[in-house]
Amino acid sequence: DTGVSQDPRHKITKRGQNVTFRCDPISEHNRLYWYRQTLGQGPEFLTYFQNEAQLEKSRLLSDRFSAERPKGSFSTLEIQRTEQGDSAMYLCASSPARRLYGYTFGSGTRLTVV
Amino acid sequence: TQLLEQSPQFLSIQEGENLTVYCNSSSVFSSLQWYRQEPGEGPVLLVTVVTGGEVKKLKRLTFQFGDARKDSSLHITAAQPGDTGLYLCAGALNNNDMRFGAGTRLTVKP
Repeated sequence: DTGVSQDPRHKITKRGQNVTFRCDPISEHNRLYWYRQTLGQGPEFLTYFQNEAQLEKSRLLSDRFSAERPKGSFSTLEIQRTEQGDSAMYLCASSPARRLYGYTFGSGTRLTVV
Repeated sequence: TQLLEQSPQFLSIQEGENLTVYCNSSSVFSSLQWYRQEPGEGPVLLVTVVTGGEVKKLKRLTFQFGDARKDSSLHITAAQPGDTGLYLCAGALNNNDMRFGAGTRLTVKP
């Protein structure tokens, strides 16, 4: 297992289009997190899964955003009707049940909405 | 307003110098983590501190968690160009909520 993988690394889309990102966590980790990071800021929490259950969603996650984690393995984050303000780095992280081990982040997906 | 305030925001020093960066909050955290992030990559975990007053050393890096578990510091001794990056602190408010600061961007010049 080589860590958390995110695909694609970069995505350029036109305003109004839908985009979907994928995250493959470390296989032994049952917790999966999505964060968004804009320039000059730290990561902002979007949502969290424990196995296949989505347990928490930030108010940042408008109704245009949806995340899934079928079968508790990989996860997808979809943004519908993209807006220029959605341009950011979308980071996925996974962790074991004991959070003291910390998060392992993927390299992120850089989204640019033009 | 960030829940976690990191200072300084930017720091540029010469190789061999020592430095300290700070992470402060009015909230109490059950644990606090430090990460380093390089451009175009995700953050990489450096350390987790749990107990108030705890000090952890990782080679030239020394991490301290405040007695009240509201603040933390990271001290780097004899900085090297390879230490260049964005240093992020993250505090756990509860079992599911980890909040990040905006980071300190460190540049170490050779």
